[in-house]
Amino acid sequence: QKEVEQDPGPLSVPEGAIVSLNCTYSNSAFQYFMWYRQYSRKGPELLMYTYSSGNKEDGRFTAQVDKSSKYISLFIRDSQPSDSATYLCAMSAPGSNYKLTFGKGTLLTVNP
Amino acid sequence: DARVTQTPRDKVTEMGQEVTMRCQPILGHNTVFWYRQTMMQGLELLAYFRNRAPLDDSGMPKDRFSAEMPDATLATLKIQPSEPRDSAVYFCASTRDSNNEQFFGPGTRLTVL
Repeated sequence: QKEVEQDPGPLSVPEGAIVSLNCTYSNSAFQYFMWYRQYSRKGPELLMYTYSSGNKEDGRFTAQVDKSSKYISLFIRDSQPSDSATYLCAMSAPGSNYKLTFGKGTLLTVNP
Repeated sequence: DARVTQTPRDKVTEMGQEVTMRCQPILGHNTVFWYRQTMMQGLELLAYFRNRAPLDDSGMPKDRFSAEMPDATLATLKIQPSEPRDSAVYFCASTRDSNNEQFFGPGTRLTVL
């Protein structure tokens, strides 16, 4: 079993839909949780960053962390065609020298 | 604006040839990571450096891969000899010591025939 599991999709939704992306993990030492967005033929870029459990909201994006269930989510409200990309979850543990463990990514397409 | 740069962007080579990929981290970033991305495995960490010293290269096939930081502005990843299974996109990322956010370069798309 990999440390981080993420459904690769693909996920296709109409414009305006609410999108839910998820990852599960097995390492209880993970404390830092991130979502990266990767456009085609580009490098990943940080979208959301959360420390420990709880919610964080930034515009149309909300990140949730449930450490008791070892489950993290990214919600996108009012999805736009420009949100079409691969979304990767990433996590790290304290003392890991900022080493990130990534999920495989979920390919999202938002159709106009 | 500050960004990680990588060269070449694309590389096509034949099996057995040496491949060298280069990365210029963001100025002031002291931790540099090399990743490989494939459809099957996703993003895998190959090696990383702090203050130019290798911290962990356990993700790298030691017999053919080598990573170095000759100076603070240049990181290199070398494959010798290359094999078709090395075909992937190789990313470099950098970060400041006190920050979990990694900034990724555009990647080098390697095809080994």
